[in-house]
Amino acid sequence: DGGITQSPKYLFRKEGQNVTLSCEQNLNHDAMYWYRQDPGQGLRLIYYSQIVNDFQKGDIAEGYSVSREKKESFPLTVTSAQKNPTAFYLCASSPDRGQKPQHFGDGTRLSIL
Amino acid sequence: AQKITQTQPGMFVQEKEAVTLDCTYDTSDPSYGLFWYKQPSSGEMIFLIYQGSYDQQNATEGRYSLNFQKARKSANLVISASQLGDSAMYFCAMREGPAETSYDKVIFGPGTSLSVIP
Repeated sequence: DGGITQSPKYLFRKEGQNVTLSCEQNLNHDAMYWYRQDPGQGLRLIYYSQIVNDFQKGDIAEGYSVSREKKESFPLTVTSAQKNPTAFYLCASSPDRGQKPQHFGDGTRLSIL
Repeated sequence: AQKITQTQPGMFVQEKEAVTLDCTYDTSDPSYGLFWYKQPSSGEMIFLIYQGSYDQQNATEGRYSLNFQKARKSANLVISASQLGDSAMYFCAMREGPAETSYDKVIFGPGTSLSVIP
């Protein structure tokens, strides 16, 4: 079955560490997205990519970095510059053209030790 | 400025009753799409229903229907015959731009927490 796989499901980070969240899709979708969700709140866009080797900042990109070397993969690195990284991170993908819904992974919960 | 507004942080509904979740949006683009997603406590986001700005009829998907009032910029979700499994967070989202272009940034509202009471 096609879908989006995020790993790990839970991740713990020490102060000053960079951590990378994995997102892989086999839906052949062009566009991929990273969102952050804080408790009781909606989704805020961190980065999105419409094509390989290209990506754009979302509303809260500071302290995060991404890469899009392959169509299937869009990893997110939470750097030590992100002072409040504890949150639920959701990856999504969608066909680039047309008003199609996004497909979401199951998310990664990141916590600070 | 807030582009998607969901004014009901929390809602309760009796099992088997219908419930309406409000969503208003703000855009100057004549072409846009509106989406509703459900997020159970487990965290995954489940797509429910879509409405295009040029669609003449209100969208329906099983027990879900969308009350689309374009002039009022309103896209309320109606859930009929509520079930216990409908208890979740519900998010309204908008994608601006024509369907044919590659611009597809999606904006989410703050969500409404729905609790279905037995």
